[in-house]
Amino acid sequence: RKEVEQDPGPFNVPEGATVAFNCTYSNSASQSFFWYRQDCRKEPKLLMSVYSSGNEDGRFTAQLNRASQYISLLIRDSKLSDSATYLCVVNSRGYQKVTFGTGTKLQVIP
Amino acid sequence: DVKVTQSSRYLVKRTGEKVFLECVQDMDHENMFWYRQDPGLGLRLIYFSYDVKMKEKGDIPEGYSVSREKKERFSLILESASTNQTSMYLCASSFAGSNQPQHFGDGTRLSIL
Repeated sequence: RKEVEQDPGPFNVPEGATVAFNCTYSNSASQSFFWYRQDCRKEPKLLMSVYSSGNEDGRFTAQLNRASQYISLLIRDSKLSDSATYLCVVNSRGYQKVTFGTGTKLQVIP
Repeated sequence: DVKVTQSSRYLVKRTGEKVFLECVQDMDHENMFWYRQDPGLGLRLIYFSYDVKMKEKGDIPEGYSVSREKKERFSLILESASTNQTSMYLCASSFAGSNQPQHFGDGTRLSIL
């Protein structure tokens, strides 16, 4: 089983829709979690950290479910500019090493 | 704003050449990382460093070495480039601590002919 797994998509959604992605991780001792966004042929950029109690940043909501070992990202009122690949990142090896998922591709359609 | 600068956006080298990729960060970050990204495989960690002159192997260190002589600079070296090292190379840096996010450079698209 991969350490971090994501559905590669693509998720094709109309503008204004709500879309959610999950990311599962295998190591129950995982310590910290992040969502990154990567545009085509660009570097990954931090979207948000994921906190145990869940957290929100504008249209984006991140959740952590330790019992089922997954994190989620919810995007409300999708914009064309949200089209990108979303990478989940899990720190499961303790000191400074993180594991990236292979990403979920989102395409928002006019 | 965090700035991670990679020396080249695009680079073409020949098989057997020694290749140097440079990365500089301006945020006084303790940690620096080198990844490669290939379609369908995601980001894979090659090496990382948590202090000057310190380095640790990542998941795929074979064929690579690194150097960190100054805190702000982390170099990736391909000792004898091979065609299977054609890839996008990404440098990242972060503060110490497992809850600190990494910040990436623009990437270097390296082609080995």
